[in-house]
Amino acid sequence: GENVEQHPSTLSVQEGDSAVIKCTYSDSASNYFPWYKQELGKRPQLIIDIRSNVGEKKDQRIAVTLNKTAKHFSLHITETQPEDSAVYFCAATNSGYSTLTFGKGTMLLVSP
Amino acid sequence: GAGVSQSPSNKVTEKGKDVELRCDPISGHTALYWYRQRLGQGLEFLIYFQGNSAPDKSGLPSDRFSAERTGESVSTLTIQRTQQEDSAVYLCASSSRTGFYEQYFGPGTRLTVT
Repeated sequence: GENVEQHPSTLSVQEGDSAVIKCTYSDSASNYFPWYKQELGKRPQLIIDIRSNVGEKKDQRIAVTLNKTAKHFSLHITETQPEDSAVYFCAATNSGYSTLTFGKGTMLLVSP
Repeated sequence: GAGVSQSPSNKVTEKGKDVELRCDPISGHTALYWYRQRLGQGLEFLIYFQGNSAPDKSGLPSDRFSAERTGESVSTLTIQRTQQEDSAVYLCASSSRTGFYEQYFGPGTRLTVT
């Protein structure tokens, strides 16, 4: 089955800096890669996703890149703000199966 | 419209007792998922329902865990003879279809086994 590794486990940045979270996956058949954000005590929510037919996707201050050859994908947050502080989870799946395999999460702390 | 709801929000039970956790998915969502999240850990897949197909139970950690779903509506996750290591937040999610579609999570049930 799929295995997703996520790094780093914690990331501290100053407000305004950029943050990068990286994930690798094992199953070359995986073709869908969402990122979920979970604020303290709240439910996970989808913030961005990418399919294997594109290499990059942007939505305002966040972007995701995908390298299918190397089987890794990354989340990039620019101009970080304190409200970006949360745990971020990457995930991967072969859409034909639908069950997501999640990484263990990255706690992002943005200091004002 | 209404999101995914779960009940109870908190459950404290004694070791060895059985518990039932409930999930109400978003109306019309055919896919429903259960996850377990231990404190400070990631999301561990437990079971997945899609329409009338046989559920994918590959993530259930032991035969003490079971789940049912009535059609495309409510699901219950049952844990028999609870153990302390079952203490976690149990999250339910639903999606309109399988594959590329966003999973909407419920608020979770925090289970504490004493």
